[in-house]
Amino acid sequence: DTGVSQDPRHKITKRGQNVTFRCDPISEHNRLYWYRQTLGQGPEFLTYFQNEAQLEKSRLLSDRFSAERPKGSFSTLEIQRTEQGDSAMYLCASSPTGAGYGYTFGSGTRLTVV
Amino acid sequence: QKEVEQNSGPLSVPEGAIASLNCTYSDRVSQSFFWYRQYSGKSPELIMSIYSNGDKEDGRFTAQLNKASQYVSLLIRDSQPSDSATYLCAVQISNFGNEKLTFGTGTRLTIIP
Repeated sequence: DTGVSQDPRHKITKRGQNVTFRCDPISEHNRLYWYRQTLGQGPEFLTYFQNEAQLEKSRLLSDRFSAERPKGSFSTLEIQRTEQGDSAMYLCASSPTGAGYGYTFGSGTRLTVV
Repeated sequence: QKEVEQNSGPLSVPEGAIASLNCTYSDRVSQSFFWYRQYSGKSPELIMSIYSNGDKEDGRFTAQLNKASQYVSLLIRDSQPSDSATYLCAVQISNFGNEKLTFGTGTRLTIIP
């Protein structure tokens, strides 16, 4: 197993465009999480999945953000009508189900909105 | 009050000395605690987890937990320049269906050769 994979590593987009990121978790992990991190801050929770079910979505997440995990494998995070404030590192992580497990993070996708 | 608080630093420690990183949390039902190391431009990497009051040692790292004081710390012995990074404290509330980690803002540690 090669760990958590994220694609692309970097994305530069113009304001108003839509972007989509992909995450492939560790295959044995049922839980998949999306976080966002800006400079000087800790990762901020966006949403998470148990298999294909989206269990929680942050209230900070506007309706421009949507995430899916079809068939409980890879996940996609889409941002519609991007804004400059969306510029950040988007981190995907996975873990086994249950308490006491830390996350394994992917390398992240760095989004720059110009 | 932030859910997880850390001193943002920077914390500068001479090579070979002990680095002490601190974290406090607000939710008393928090049950699992994690320390992540994050190098500049990279993603967080799990280095320690602790669930019970007391100390837990792993090589040069020791995690300490005091649930009564809602305090968790990380000690790094014999600090090396490669330990220079941001250290993130993360807290998990272990209720099924609500097990996401809440992170602090991180403490930036610099080891001075």
